[in-house]
Amino acid sequence: GAVVSQHPSWVICKSGTSVKIECRSLDFQATTMFWYRQFPKQSLMLMATSNEGSKATYEQGVEKDKFLINHASLTLSTLTVTSAHPEDSSFYICSARVRDRRTYGYTFGSGTRLTVV
Amino acid sequence: GENVEQHPSTLSVQEGDSAVIKCTYSDSASNYFPWYKQELGKRPQLIIDIRSNVGEKKDQRIAVTLNKTAKHFSLHITETQPEDSAVYFCAASDAEGSARQLTFGSGTQLTVLP
Repeated sequence: GAVVSQHPSWVICKSGTSVKIECRSLDFQATTMFWYRQFPKQSLMLMATSNEGSKATYEQGVEKDKFLINHASLTLSTLTVTSAHPEDSSFYICSARVRDRRTYGYTFGSGTRLTVV
Repeated sequence: GENVEQHPSTLSVQEGDSAVIKCTYSDSASNYFPWYKQELGKRPQLIIDIRSNVGEKKDQRIAVTLNKTAKHFSLHITETQPEDSAVYFCAASDAEGSARQLTFGSGTQLTVLP
């Protein structure tokens, strides 16, 4: 089945530094990647939608200059948290829509636990 | 945009009993309604989904019902087992339209008591 590989699975960084999270579609082409953030005991909240070869679309309240998204190829989308602060500590997860001739669904990366100290 | 509400936020049942989780959605264009089980620190796992041309779908102990007129859908788990304990999320999307992202409900912490 369609697999999205997400790295790193966890990262601890110092306040003020930047962290890059990668999501790769392994056996399909992901023209669109959705990036979610999940705080403890809360739901997955959509941050932005990245489209291959064009600018990402950010949800209201998400700072595009802080959360840089790049989708340079059909198999790679990246999220960079710039100048991270403790309040950015969260679980970040990517998702891609998968469609074949008969049906469609969504596949998720394994998530990245970001801790900013 | 789409808004998905989920109830209850917590649910405790005795092993062997049934569990029901309900969701409502706002966007009549939504046509895909998956349910996910998420364990702590893991990705959501699809347990069942339903599309708007179907009213009910069953897979062993799990079933989902959809009422498009009322814009609500429900997850039914029968003969619950301790390993069913997890957080469950409903979601909705207009999977073939312009707003293709999944919108998630707030989640239900299900605890199955042995």
